[in-house]
Amino acid sequence: RKEVEQDPGPFNVPEGATVAFNCTYSNSASQSFFWYRQDCRKEPKLLMSVYSSGNEDGRFTAQLNRASQYISLLIRDSKLSDSATYLCVVNKGGNEKLTFGTGTRLTIIP
Amino acid sequence: NAGVTQTPKFQVLKTGQSMTLQCAQDMNHEYMSWYRQDPGMGLRLIHYSVGAGITDQGEVPNGYNVSRSTTEDFPLRLLSAAPSQTSVYFCASIGTAYEQYFGPGTRLTVT
Repeated sequence: RKEVEQDPGPFNVPEGATVAFNCTYSNSASQSFFWYRQDCRKEPKLLMSVYSSGNEDGRFTAQLNRASQYISLLIRDSKLSDSATYLCVVNKGGNEKLTFGTGTRLTIIP
Repeated sequence: NAGVTQTPKFQVLKTGQSMTLQCAQDMNHEYMSWYRQDPGMGLRLIHYSVGAGITDQGEVPNGYNVSRSTTEDFPLRLLSAAPSQTSVYFCASIGTAYEQYFGPGTRLTVT
């Protein structure tokens, strides 16, 4: 089993719709979780950290389910500018070595 | 405040050549990392550093060397380039909550 697994997509979603991605991780000792966004031919940029209690930033909501070992990202009222690849990132239990998923590609259709 | 800078942006090497990819950060972060990104593989950790003078290997260190003489700089050296090292290389500086700030990347082609 991969340490971090994501559905590669692509997800093609109409503008204004709600879309959700999941990401599963294998190391139950993992402590830190993040969602990054990567535009084509650009560097990854931090979208949001994922806290145990879940967190929300505008149209974006991230949740952590430790029992089932997955994190989720929900995007509401999707915009054309949300088109990107979304990377799930998990730390290996308290050190600085983070493991990246291969990403989920999202395209918002006008 | 430039964040993380990388040079060069693009590079073409012949097999067997050596080169250094430069990375610098101005956020005074102790932790820095080098990744390579290949299609379908995600980002893979090459080397990382937890502070000046301290480096360690990541997942795919073979063929690469690093050093960390200052907090700001973390260069990556390719000793003898091989076609398998054709990739996009990202340097990252890591904040206190393990959030990573990436440089713009170097696209390397080895022929």
